[in-house]
Amino acid sequence: DSGVTQTPKHLITATGQRVTLRCSPRSGDLSVYWYQQSLDQGLQFLIQYYNGEERAKGNILERFSAQQFPDLHSELNLSSLELGDSALYFCASSVALGQRGGSGVYEQYFGPGTRLTVT
Amino acid sequence: GQQVMQIPQYQHVQEGEDFTTYCNSSTTLSNIQWYKQRPGGHPVFLIQLVKSGEVKKQKRLTFQFGEAKKNSSLHITATQTTDVGTYFCAINTNAGKSTFGDGTTLTVKP
Repeated sequence: DSGVTQTPKHLITATGQRVTLRCSPRSGDLSVYWYQQSLDQGLQFLIQYYNGEERAKGNILERFSAQQFPDLHSELNLSSLELGDSALYFCASSVALGQRGGSGVYEQYFGPGTRLTVT
Repeated sequence: GQQVMQIPQYQHVQEGEDFTTYCNSSTTLSNIQWYKQRPGGHPVFLIQLVKSGEVKKQKRLTFQFGEAKKNSSLHITATQTTDVGTYFCAINTNAGKSTFGDGTTLTVKP
């Protein structure tokens, strides 16, 4: 158990709909990352938040948005859903950004994921 | 942004054989991380390498960072069925951006 929680575990919805995925980071972690993993694919970085602020964007579609709340939980909103949006969505958290003893960034702890199926 | 190529995509081995996956970048990396994802599971952090030429070991796993800090490898000695899964390398920047390799999926035949 990584300490990162994600809800719901599974989500089935229709094309054109909007869904919200929720992530609670490990206690004390300020940084939250969102990833998309399609079937047999690698992990595509979507977006990263640190202490409530957006810090980095990856290959996130305009139909997708995210935010991190004052209690540090994060939500990923997916709208106008298409069949191709069906995937596993992972959230990960890390302690902070910046240097760790001068050695680089911190490791990420992943949640169990939300499996989204768009029909 | 920074890209990382990971090979091979798949590796099938007999239990007891060795396994190696490689990550290569065209640019110099400040660090590289390795993760393992079991079938049906989520990625789990294994290790981070930072120094040029660094070698770290975790039991049967050996991780290396190239002298030029442009490549890295993960080697498993005498694979076991518990080693099955997909192994990813990852590059993370202080700015927050994260790039994962496409992963190498390892299957082990008992």
